Amino acid sequence: DSGVTQTPKHLITATGQRVTLRCSPRSGDLSVYWYQQSLDQGLQFLIQYYNGEERAKGNILERFSAQQFPDLHSELNLSSLELGDSALYFCASSPTAGELFFGEGSRLTVL
Amino acid sequence: GQNIDQPTEMTATEGAIVQINCTYQTSGFNGLFWYQQHAGEAPTFLSYNVLDGLEEKGRFSSFLSRSKGYSYLLLKELQMKDSASYLCAVQGATNKLIFGTGTLLAVQP
Repeated sequence: DSGVTQTPKHLITATGQRVTLRCSPRSGDLSVYWYQQSLDQGLQFLIQYYNGEERAKGNILERFSAQQFPDLHSELNLSSLELGDSALYFCASSPTAGELFFGEGSRLTVL
Repeated sequence: GQNIDQPTEMTATEGAIVQINCTYQTSGFNGLFWYQQHAGEAPTFLSYNVLDGLEEKGRFSSFLSRSKGYSYLLLKELQMKDSASYLCAVQGATNKLIFGTGTLLAVQP
């Protein structure tokens, strides 16, 4: 158990819908990262937050947004969902620099 | 930007040694990581190199040459459970961690 909690574990929805994925980092970790992993694909970096502020952005679509709240939990919002958005979405946390600890992921299926 | 290259697939025999190479280009460098990922599961941390040289951790070792933009992961005494994807990742200036596409290792009896 990495200490990073992601909910929901599984989510099935329809095209055009909106979903919110939630991540609770390890106690004391200030950085939160979001990654997308499609079938047989590598981990694609989406966005990073540090202590509530956006720190770095990857190839995150405009239909996607995220935020980190004062209690350091983070949410990833995916809207106007398309079939191609079906993927595993991982959240990871770290203290500052160094090892990232990954949650178990949220598996999104868009039908 | 960052660019990371590693072989797509490798096959090795149980009990043998395998070396998985990774080359990278990055602006800003705060370390290189190796993660293991079984299909459908979360990546798990294997090793971290920030200085040149070899880091050994049980059956796993990782090497870094910053001047060459090169790293390798060495797995000894291979076991069937080592069949997984091995991800090379580079941490840049903002501590953003970018992953390579991974090397799928198949360990055969």
